[in-house]
Amino acid sequence: EVQLLESGGGLVKTGGSLRLSCAASGFTFSTHSMNWVRQAPGKGLEWVSSITSSPTYIYYADSVKGRFTISRDNAKNSLYLQMDSLRAEDTAVYYCARGGSGSYPDDFDYWGQGTLVAVSS
Amino acid sequence: SYVLTQPPSVSVAPGETARITCGGNNIGSKSVHWSQQKPGQAPVLVISYDGNRPSGIPERFSGSNSGNTATLTISRVEAGDEADYYCQVWDSSFNQVVFGGGTKLTVL
Repeated sequence: EVQLLESGGGLVKTGGSLRLSCAASGFTFSTHSMNWVRQAPGKGLEWVSSITSSPTYIYYADSVKGRFTISRDNAKNSLYLQMDSLRAEDTAVYYCARGGSGSYPDDFDYWGQGTLVAVSS
Repeated sequence: SYVLTQPPSVSVAPGETARITCGGNNIGSKSVHWSQQKPGQAPVLVISYDGNRPSGIPERFSGSNSGNTATLTISRVEAGDEADYYCQVWDSSFNQVVFGGGTKLTVL
């Protein structure tokens, strides 16, 4: 059974940093691209970042480019999101989602339950 | 950047057919994926690559994509289908994943 378990969320001050983790199990992690998607309270889904399996390609939304860094450790079956210079508008539930094996993000076929990040002054 | 437009809400009676649209410039040239999100839960993929149903998704869910509009069709709607639905594409021009704004399906 595919499982994705996010952790690392919490309350942080504006300008602070936070590192999210996503522990994957139930599939061959190293052959899938992985993604972060967020959802602000009462709002829709917003893509944050994606990383291919190798990881050969990394992609970011304009809203986080230069502030967030996605990475993965295939030996540990884990995905990460380093978030720096956090702003109030980064407040959201952050989901980890599994992608396919291609060179760009395709369908997100499994999602974790999410971890809440709250940024406050 | 690429924009996907969904109606904010769609209402349908039980047993009827719900159609949720996703508009985008020449979206027919892209692969469209649809996810369902029920309150307090993580999204679930219901349609991939325009019209493919993942394992476990009922045959009542189908998708199509042509021209400037992609459509998620839910036949014989049930109360349990009430949820928010999001379309998603890959914009290769800007190397970004784009989500539609979401459509709230209400079962009357």
